[in-house]
Amino acid sequence: DTEVTQTPKHLVMGMTNKKSLKCEQHMGHRAMYWYKQKAKKPPELMFVYSYEKLSINESVPSRFSPECPNSSLLNLHLHALQPEDSALYLCASSPRPRELAGGRIQQYFGPGTRLTVT
Amino acid sequence: GENVEQHPSTLSVQEGDSAVIKCTYSDSASNYFPWYKQELGKGPQLIIDIRSNVGEKKDQRIAVTLNKTAKHFSLHITETQPEDSAVYFCAPQRGETSGSRLTFGEGTQLTVNP
Repeated sequence: DTEVTQTPKHLVMGMTNKKSLKCEQHMGHRAMYWYKQKAKKPPELMFVYSYEKLSINESVPSRFSPECPNSSLLNLHLHALQPEDSALYLCASSPRPRELAGGRIQQYFGPGTRLTVT
Repeated sequence: GENVEQHPSTLSVQEGDSAVIKCTYSDSASNYFPWYKQELGKGPQLIIDIRSNVGEKKDQRIAVTLNKTAKHFSLHITETQPEDSAVYFCAPQRGETSGSRLTFGEGTQLTVNP
């Protein structure tokens, strides 16, 4: 199984709502990522989890709160978002370090959640 | 941090022609050079990659070439087909460890006209 799944596919929320995005992979990957992608732009890194610990936070506003409850799951909790936060939110994963020797450092992306903040 | 430039930003070719996209990077410590393809409504997917100890790699109709001295690498697609139409991103990366930062180029919208 080389798939990263994300739910929901689409989400519309008001500025006072609280919602969560979910991401799951069963490839045994120990690094997981959240990206934000605006239309006609490349994905922008938000957070990296390595071995279920937050290793990179790209100065993301606190209205985005990541969580990695176990090695297969990654959540992004959303609260008090702004209309400019509307975007495609992508989750990705990549292998454990010992599997990388001589190999690729490929990231596997999910299909994304299309978020609209009204 | 890594400064990545990708050219051209849009590319339109006739079916059967070749397409070339170039990516220039600034971090001399980068040692892994992938190309991702993003189709409409999907996440980016790796299509080909190269490591810094190799100059060229081919996989059927696609190839990647690397010039580490000049700090650029290119994606070559031959015999283009309409299903090659997508946005292509380069993403040079340093480090052997998982959890490394991935900096994408701005993307190239490739359109293959039948």
